[in-house]
Amino acid sequence: DGGITQSPKYLFRKEGQNVTLSCEQNLNHDAMYWYRQDPGQGLRLIYYSQIVNDFQKGDIAEGYSVSREKKESFPLTVTSAQKNPTAFYLCATQSYLSSYNEQFFGPGTRLTVL
Amino acid sequence: RKEVEQDPGPFNVPEGATVAFNCTYSNSASQSFFWYRQDCRKEPKLLMSVYSSGNEDGRFTAQLNRASQYISLLIRDSKLSDSATYLCVVNPASYDKVIFGPGTSLSVIP
Repeated sequence: DGGITQSPKYLFRKEGQNVTLSCEQNLNHDAMYWYRQDPGQGLRLIYYSQIVNDFQKGDIAEGYSVSREKKESFPLTVTSAQKNPTAFYLCATQSYLSSYNEQFFGPGTRLTVL
Repeated sequence: RKEVEQDPGPFNVPEGATVAFNCTYSNSASQSFFWYRQDCRKEPKLLMSVYSSGNEDGRFTAQLNRASQYISLLIRDSKLSDSATYLCVVNPASYDKVIFGPGTSLSVIP
């Protein structure tokens, strides 16, 4: 089954804990992105990676970290330094072979800090 | 000026109505444009790419005006199932991240 998988779907974390969100794709897309969405708000870019072993900060990278060791995987770690991490986290991929470079999204992970 | 701006909404329309959304972008060199749909508590999904000549997909029509730097989405004969948030997305250049607008909420009322 092709596509983008994110796990877990729901995640609960205690304050002060680091937590890692998984994003895996089998679309062979070059670029991968992490967005954060708060209730009633738009998407905000956290980090993105256009190639393996390289990634760039987005608009709200503070308190987050990523790695891109494989083309298929782009995990996001929410660290204890992130002041208000409760949100909906979306992973997306993008192929540079496509004429229009559209992005495709995984189903998302809802993180709640207790 | 924000990079991508959309009608603030929300739009509340009766079933069968025609509704239009507008979106403006600031980078005149932008290369490709999209409309996404996001249902409540779900991920955004690509609705349609916007071609230079305009394009139509069933009840949906997208237009691009490069001179004025705006994109529009027209929905004819609105259905209850069209209720969602519509996101305007602009790709400034190949091999670059896309820019998402804040979205416009549509509620189609019986």
